[in-house]
Amino acid sequence: QQQVKQSPQSLIVQKGGISIINCAYENTAFDYFPWYQQFPGKGPALLIAIRPDVSEKKEGRFTISFNKSAKQFSLHIMDSQPGDSATYFCAAMWSGSRLTFGEGTQLTVNP
Amino acid sequence: SAVISQKPSRDICQRGTSLTIQCQVDSQVTMMFWYRQQPGQSLTLIATANQGSEATYESGFVIDKFPISRPNLTFSTLTVSNMSPEDSSIYLCSARHTGELFFGEGSRLTVL
Repeated sequence: QQQVKQSPQSLIVQKGGISIINCAYENTAFDYFPWYQQFPGKGPALLIAIRPDVSEKKEGRFTISFNKSAKQFSLHIMDSQPGDSATYFCAAMWSGSRLTFGEGTQLTVNP
Repeated sequence: SAVISQKPSRDICQRGTSLTIQCQVDSQVTMMFWYRQQPGQSLTLIATANQGSEATYESGFVIDKFPISRPNLTFSTLTVSNMSPEDSSIYLCSARHTGELFFGEGSRLTVL
């Protein structure tokens, strides 16, 4: 019930392309959905987040789309750059600010 | 955002020993957490570090193995006790600040 399913496991995109990562959940008690970016050897860095009463949030090249009825949300990276190559984790927050993380997506952006 | 510092950043330890990881936040925060990230995998919540009371552990994690302290609103420690090679992981401190959850750089632990 606390699981968040993330896909794909890995993604290769050409520079300038759109990267799309998808997540799905079951627990309707989740009330906050952040995305984190992690570079090798570093801790996860908060990228963008959304609450379930909003269907879309955009910050620069990063957009979260949220479908409450389908219990799905996705991250879109527009104009992907080689510097975006990292592992991306979706997450869902529940009771007491706890986070459940997806399995992660390793993104590679080729120059 | 909150800046979270962890010490040590990495360590190599012998089986059967214990190691304490320190976490310092640059702001007073109400909530602090400890996560584990096994090599190449996702993050799993170990426990919520409660200020002034015992930590709240998630299923599969126990106080005897992972004792946690939180003496004030900016500091917490996690001890990994009686270590085995299976404890080789990255241990991450997290804090909630201005409604968001931030993470430290992690402490990379290798147990031989």
